[in-house]
Amino acid sequence: EVQLVESGGGLVQPGASLKLSCVASGFTFSDYWMSWVRQTPGKTMEWIGDIKYDGSYTNYAPSLKNRFTISRDNAKSTLYLQMSNVRSEDTATYYCTRVMGAWGQGASVTVSS
Amino acid sequence: DVVMTQTPPSLSVAIGQSVSISCKSSQSLVYSDGKTYLHWLLQSPGQSPKLLIYQVSNLGSGVPDRFSGTGSQKDFTLKISRVEAEDLGVYYCVQATHFPYTFGAGTKLELK
Repeated sequence: EVQLVESGGGLVQPGASLKLSCVASGFTFSDYWMSWVRQTPGKTMEWIGDIKYDGSYTNYAPSLKNRFTISRDNAKSTLYLQMSNVRSEDTATYYCTRVMGAWGQGASVTVSS
Repeated sequence: DVVMTQTPPSLSVAIGQSVSISCKSSQSLVYSDGKTYLHWLLQSPGQSPKLLIYQVSNLGSGVPDRFSGTGSQKDFTLKISRVEAEDLGVYYCVQATHFPYTFGAGTKLELK
């Protein structure tokens, strides 16, 4: 069974950094592109970016490219999202996905002082 | 960015009824490889999204054939025949042809 389990969410102050992780199981992680998607409290879905199966290439939403970094460790079957200089509008549930075909349970991030 | 316009924003249905949801894109979603990367997701209450249909008309794993997807270029439709209680939730279309990938605003399916 394909499983994606995010962690690392929580309450963070504006301007701080936060790193989310997503541990994958039930499939060969290194064979797949992986993505991060977030959902705002108002339920709007926003694609953050994705990373090639070998980690050699990434794509980002232009509005987030300067603050968010996606990486992966195939030896650990883990996907990462490094968020820097977070803002209140980054408050959302963050999902890792296997090219939209499988989704984690989400990690909630709240940016507030 | 490609704008995905979903209608209606909400639907109130009776069990057993059939419904359709429309999704229109501001640009053609045909990729250079000839495929159309338009997918449909369902987010049941309190759950993560789940892939229902990929590339316009292909059923996701374990998705019942009451669900069907049609369309081309910029105009797409999700049809649910004989709605069941487990179908309630929010439906999203998403395009993965053009960067950045973009989602529709969602259609909430509720029981009448």
